[in-house]
Amino acid sequence: GAGVSQTPSNKVTEKGKYVELRCDPISGHTALYWYRQSLGQGPEFLIYFQGTGAADDSGLPNDRFFAVRPEGSVSTLKIQRTERGDSAVYLCASSLTASGGSTDTQYFGPGTRLTVL
Amino acid sequence: AQSVTQLDSQVPVFEEAPVELRCNYSSSVSVYLFWYVQYPNQGLQLLLKYLSGSTLVKGINGFEAEFNKSQTSFHLRKPSVHISDTAEYFCAVRRYGNKLVFGAGTILRVKS
Repeated sequence: GAGVSQTPSNKVTEKGKYVELRCDPISGHTALYWYRQSLGQGPEFLIYFQGTGAADDSGLPNDRFFAVRPEGSVSTLKIQRTERGDSAVYLCASSLTASGGSTDTQYFGPGTRLTVL
Repeated sequence: AQSVTQLDSQVPVFEEAPVELRCNYSSSVSVYLFWYVQYPNQGLQLLLKYLSGSTLVKGINGFEAEFNKSQTSFHLRKPSVHISDTAEYFCAVRRYGNKLVFGAGTILRVKS
């Protein structure tokens, strides 16, 4: 079946610009997660949604970062006034549930590589 | 705070040799543990997971891992590696809440 998809696969932007990154989760998955992976590091948690609401946004680095999931499926990560330090691979994952059990296993998309010049 | 330490940043190994990638975590309570693999320019693929039950977990591509609660370790092993196993491997832990905490990764380089 279809996995998690992310668009675009690559995004190059200039410092100060606004960007949107999109994630399509696996059909039927209620939970959706965003992570950021900087060069040479493991992914770091940003935010996760249970349905339409953000259940935990403790990983968002500052108020330039915002994410939405208005219909409980597709999510968009929005970054305002981009900075060179925002350059990274942004990974999206989804899980069937977020109840603390075995069906919470997260499946990842291929990522969006963001480069801020 | 939950943390994960992958003790080796790179592991070179010859084809058909065994390999062990080490992972230690910090936690005083029950955890869920995962190994993911990342091939070049791709996302993360789940290799295996420990949720409960048997401490020896078998995953895809011939990999297995052993959960050791007393040593807070979850090392990944494969008895005979292939060139195609060359990738970066990430250990991760999930406790309360649903966010995964990842280690820094171990690059496995399989040489012919």
